[in-house]
Amino acid sequence: AQSVSQHNHHVILSEAASLELGCNYSYGGTVNLFWYVQYPGQHLQLLLKYFSGDPLVKGIKGFEAEFIKSKFSFNLRKPSVQWSDTAEYFCAVTPNTGNQFYFGTGTSLTVIP
Amino acid sequence: SQTIHQWPATLVQPVGSPLSLECTVEGTSNPNLYWYRQAAGRGLQLLFYSVGIGQISSEVPQNLSASRPQDRQFILSSKKLLLSDSGFYLCAWSSQGPRNQPQHFGDGTRLSIL
Repeated sequence: AQSVSQHNHHVILSEAASLELGCNYSYGGTVNLFWYVQYPGQHLQLLLKYFSGDPLVKGIKGFEAEFIKSKFSFNLRKPSVQWSDTAEYFCAVTPNTGNQFYFGTGTSLTVIP
Repeated sequence: SQTIHQWPATLVQPVGSPLSLECTVEGTSNPNLYWYRQAAGRGLQLLFYSVGIGQISSEVPQNLSASRPQDRQFILSSKKLLLSDSGFYLCAWSSQGPRNQPQHFGDGTRLSIL
């Protein structure tokens, strides 16, 4: 069965620090990849997505993610975090054939001013 | 623009009682629809998804069932709730197309079983 692993469960950073959240998936075929964010008290919203093409994708609010096919990874990065980035981040994978979405367990990010 | 509505926002039910959570989507047609359960430290667990009226796929065998009586309506049900059914339930929709499009989530229902 397909699975998505997010290695960091809880990350605490100071403002202006750089961020990298890991995401690995297990699926042998072609996939589409997503990162979602859930700010406190709000619903899940899309940060960025990868379908094909350039493996480095840019999303909203200065986030980017790099798809490394050989490593089955789709890590999320931001060069300089802000207090407003405090949220829970979810990686998601969907196979190109099929309609299922599989989410990771989430990473809680706390940014200290 | 498209919107997704979930209700109720919170629900407290006794063990053994039935359940019906409703989700409707506006502003789009023929969406893919999904039910998830979100638990702390466990992320989002896909429960059911539907690509059309009357078409339901179950990802995890359990005490719950889903139905899609109309194109933009998705219902999560149970005949007899268990304590383990407590949790936060999310409905989501995505556009159909050659690729699986990003999902759009509702605000969720917090279900507490007593």
